[in-house]
Amino acid sequence: GIQVEQSPPDLILQEGANSTLRCNFSDSVNNLQWFHQNPWGQLINLFYIPSGTKQNGRLSATTVATERYSLLYISSSQTTDSGVYFCAVGRIQGAQKLVFGQGTRLTINP
Amino acid sequence: EAGVAQSPRYKIIEKRQSVAFWCNPISGHATLYWYQQILGQGPKLLIQFQNNGVVDDSQLPKDRFSAERLKGVDSTLKIQPAKLEDSAVYLCASSLLIHTDTQYFGPGTRLTVL
Repeated sequence: GIQVEQSPPDLILQEGANSTLRCNFSDSVNNLQWFHQNPWGQLINLFYIPSGTKQNGRLSATTVATERYSLLYISSSQTTDSGVYFCAVGRIQGAQKLVFGQGTRLTINP
Repeated sequence: EAGVAQSPRYKIIEKRQSVAFWCNPISGHATLYWYQQILGQGPKLLIQFQNNGVVDDSQLPKDRFSAERLKGVDSTLKIQPAKLEDSAVYLCASSLLIHTDTQYFGPGTRLTVL
């Protein structure tokens, strides 16, 4: 099956800093989603981005499908950005199945 | 628009007991997913429904886990009998379409098996 690797596993930053999270995947995909899991466990969908670039406020994401990676950018970090960020990928093979990476734990200190 | 609802939020049981979780997806969403998330890991898909039919249950331990989605709306996931390694958060998600679509997650049920 598809392998998903996220880096770094942990990231600790001061409020106001910028960060880049990376997601590498082992095969061609036509579904890629970024999620934020807050400290209470709720998973929030950030982007559906199988290719190209999208922006939503301080967050943006870029997926280079031909090179099998995606990047999530967080600018001007706030303490509420803390949590775990997951990348999940999927292929159409009879059914959509998202395979999640292990996540990047982001801690933003005030 | 109401989100995905799950209950209960927490459950503690003894090993070998049975337990059931309930999920109500976003109105109009045809596809429903159950995931298992073990502490420190990403969610793992257990079963996926399209309306009331099973699309993928390849990672569901069928000797002890079962799930149903009657009438293509609510769904129930059952574990019988539970093992210690079933301690995890069970997440329900839904999406409008079956392929290439955004998934929306519920708050999850945290299961502890003693």
